[in-house]
Amino acid sequence: NAGVMQNPRHLVRRRGQEARLRCSPMKGHSHVYWYRQLPEEGLKFMVYLQKENIIDESGMPKERFSAEFPKEGPSILRIQQVVRGDSAAYFCASSPGRTSVSYEQYFGPGTRLTVT
Amino acid sequence: AQSVTQLGSHVSVSEGALVLLRCNYSSSVPPYLFWYVQYPNQGLQLLLKYTSAATLVKGINGFEAEFKKSETSFHLTKPSAHMSDAAEYFCAVSETGGGGNKLTFGTGTQLKVEL
Repeated sequence: NAGVMQNPRHLVRRRGQEARLRCSPMKGHSHVYWYRQLPEEGLKFMVYLQKENIIDESGMPKERFSAEFPKEGPSILRIQQVVRGDSAAYFCASSPGRTSVSYEQYFGPGTRLTVT
Repeated sequence: AQSVTQLGSHVSVSEGALVLLRCNYSSSVPPYLFWYVQYPNQGLQLLLKYTSAATLVKGINGFEAEFKKSETSFHLTKPSAHMSDAAEYFCAVSETGGGGNKLTFGTGTQLKVEL
């Protein structure tokens, strides 16, 4: 059973470009979470999605950031008009769902975004 | 609102010595608590979790943690450190109700193991 997959692992963008980060959850998982890890900091929650629904986006910056988890295909975190402050590691996690007794989340290897 | 405090951003121990990484939490509801380990340039791996069952939780790689409600603590311990334990450790809390189970992380503790 493959784990959570994220691609690309490394992404370099110039200021003003768009960044698209992809996350494929573990097989059988229908819930996806995105977290951001800034240098020398812990992970910060960004958004929680189920298939075709955004459940909680309280951690998303108000502008330039969006996320989706379509019925088919991976979850996408999209950052428009990137700035240097967006440079960070972005982690995706998945879980079977809220009915899971463990509430455990499984993390992908992350995408390290560098904005030049 | 829930929060996590990890005392000591860097901890150094000798190989074979006791490892103690501190975590205190605040939560308005009974929490679920987790410890994750992160090796350089990798994702997070779950070490152990507390989900309102036994207060002493055993995890992988010889780690364990004890949930102490009176102290709002969930410290991570390992009796004897190994060189391979050098990594960053994150404590996290999740609320058990409503709004999903997003994790709130501490700022992490970098563990160094010396010969």
